[in-house]
Amino acid sequence: KNQVEQSPQSLIILEGKNCTLQCNYTVSPFSNLRWYKQDTGRGPVSLTIMTFSENTKSNGRYTATLDADTKQSSLHITASQLSDSASYICVVILYTSGTYKYIFGTGTRLKVLA
Amino acid sequence: NAGVTQTPKFRILKIGQSMTLQCTQDMNHNYMYWYRQDPGMGLKLIYYSVGAGITDKGEVPNGYNVSRSTTEDFPLRLELAAPSQTSVYFCASSYSPTLTTGELFFGEGSRLTVL
Repeated sequence: KNQVEQSPQSLIILEGKNCTLQCNYTVSPFSNLRWYKQDTGRGPVSLTIMTFSENTKSNGRYTATLDADTKQSSLHITASQLSDSASYICVVILYTSGTYKYIFGTGTRLKVLA
Repeated sequence: NAGVTQTPKFRILKIGQSMTLQCTQDMNHNYMYWYRQDPGMGLKLIYYSVGAGITDKGEVPNGYNVSRSTTEDFPLRLELAAPSQTSVYFCASSYSPTLTTGELFFGEGSRLTVL
């Protein structure tokens, strides 16, 4: 069964601190993996994409990693800011029958405190 | 460039009422999707469309209907609303798989409560 599991469910950190969010998946055939940021009351917005051959990719203070062998990805946030408070959703994308299928994790809710 | 626009943002319905959630995109995307997001759950696909005139069911289509008469618009119809349809609904769009790595562009969501 195609599944995406994220941990922790929620996280509270102080402004300026770093944190790491985890994503484990059992999805086949794997095409790519995206991390989305969803602010409260808004739609998700893509932060980064990881393809099968990529191990690490950075987007500003966000760094995503992918281990295709263990089927794990992480999103590391450096020097957190209040604006990082949001839900972070891991989405694994598989390509089948000529179209994309999206498997969504349940998200990690991050709260950054001043 | 507005992206994906959904209306209304909030709506309260009584059991048995019907309504349509509107979705329009100005990015000329062929693919459009409707998802629902329930607390503690991942987004669930309701219906999707790969182009004007073509729609197909997702994981949770019961109680919903869609149409796709133009590339831009993809309305979601709720017939005979039930409390189980209380949720936040997101419309999304993307380019066809031959042109993209699959990024979804989401609207701001429509929060529906059925009482």
